[in-house]
Amino acid sequence: GAGVSQSPRYKVAKRGQDVALRCDPISGHVSLFWYQQALGQGPEFLTYFQNEAQLDKSGLPSDRFFAERPEGSVSTLKIQRTQQEDSAVYLCASSLDPRTSGSHEQFFGPGTRLTVL
Amino acid sequence: SQQGEEDPQALSIQEGENATMNCSYKTSINNLQWYRQNSGRGLVHLILIRSNEREKHSGRLRVTLDTSKKSSSLLITASRAADTASYFCATGPNYGGATNKLIFGTGTLLAVQP
Repeated sequence: GAGVSQSPRYKVAKRGQDVALRCDPISGHVSLFWYQQALGQGPEFLTYFQNEAQLDKSGLPSDRFFAERPEGSVSTLKIQRTQQEDSAVYLCASSLDPRTSGSHEQFFGPGTRLTVL
Repeated sequence: SQQGEEDPQALSIQEGENATMNCSYKTSINNLQWYRQNSGRGLVHLILIRSNEREKHSGRLRVTLDTSKKSSSLLITASRAADTASYFCATGPNYGGATNKLIFGTGTLLAVQP
């Protein structure tokens, strides 16, 4: 079956540009996560959705970062006025609800590598 | 940062040897998971151990968990060149919170020489 897909795979932006990164989760997965992975580091949590509700956005580094999942499926992470320190791989993951499925496994997409010049 | 730490940061072994990597974490957990990341397949779940378990096996993988020391280890036996990748531990929080986010360690880069 289809896994988590993300687009674009690579994005080069000039400093100050706005970018939008898309995530298509696995069908039926109610939980969706965004992580940011800097070079040589582990992924760091940005935000979490359960269906269309954004239940945790504590990891968003600034108010330039905004995420939405309006219909409880596809999600978009938007970064306004990009800065060089935003350069990273942005990973999307989806999962079943562990409270009902008993599964805690998250399925990750291939990521979007963002380079801000 | 809430990230846990892993050691070693990098490990180079010969095919057929065993590889052991360790993870320490900071918070109370519900479960601990290990993930592998390489350029070919991205970040892939390997194994999960619950906070009330001490050891778990899956194929050539063996995971231990010591909640009193807030540490875990991953053992890969009879390593293969295809095991070359970065390995991350990730902790899942206790129930009761609003999020099921994972907190990842800093990773161990494993190179298996043919």
